[in-house]
Amino acid sequence: DAKTTQPPSMDCAEGRAANLPCNHSTISGNEYVYWYRQIHSQGPQYIIHGLKNNETNEMASLIITEDRKSSTLILPHATLRDTAVYYCIVGGAKGAQKLVFGQGTRLTINP
Amino acid sequence: NAGVTQTPKFQVLKTGQSMTLQCAQDMNHNSMYWYRQDPGMGLRLIYYSASEGTTDKGEVPNGYNVSRLNKREFSLRLESAAPSQTSVYFCASGAAINEKLFFGSGTQLSVL
Repeated sequence: DAKTTQPPSMDCAEGRAANLPCNHSTISGNEYVYWYRQIHSQGPQYIIHGLKNNETNEMASLIITEDRKSSTLILPHATLRDTAVYYCIVGGAKGAQKLVFGQGTRLTINP
Repeated sequence: NAGVTQTPKFQVLKTGQSMTLQCAQDMNHNSMYWYRQDPGMGLRLIYYSASEGTTDKGEVPNGYNVSRLNKREFSLRLESAAPSQTSVYFCASGAAINEKLFFGSGTQLSVL
């Protein structure tokens, strides 16, 4: 499965949009991009995933570049409760879903 | 629905002791997974089960065994615990390929 590169930490003001980047230059054609987050020491929580097209749900938007080598997770109106570690993962192309979690981006939302 | 339930939530073992971490899901998912997370690190896959009756090694399987007892339950066993296995263990389940994973709340294990 392809590896990802994320900044170790980011800050964002409450109420603003948080844009979290992820590079996945070795992604293969049938691999998905997934985003999860982990608040404190809780179990990770699924946010969104996509293959080629941009995706939006009630939590966030996912923008994938045309060459699929990078993506951006957008939290449109960040709140203090969005402070968490965000993981960008690629995989799930075949067989069981073996998602490899890196160290993610620690996002801090400031009041 | 309870989702993914892990027991126990906390456990302290002495080196050499054995124990089994239990995981059950009530979402009729085919796939189940065990991860460990060391302080300040991401999650690392220990073992996974793509379907009832099958198990496969993940990234860090040494020192662990698993059993997919039925579709609902997936247990993780430490036969002879070592201090290096001190970690938080998460169980997860998923419906199928390319579907989202649901995680349990974790088991915090300390091996002295």
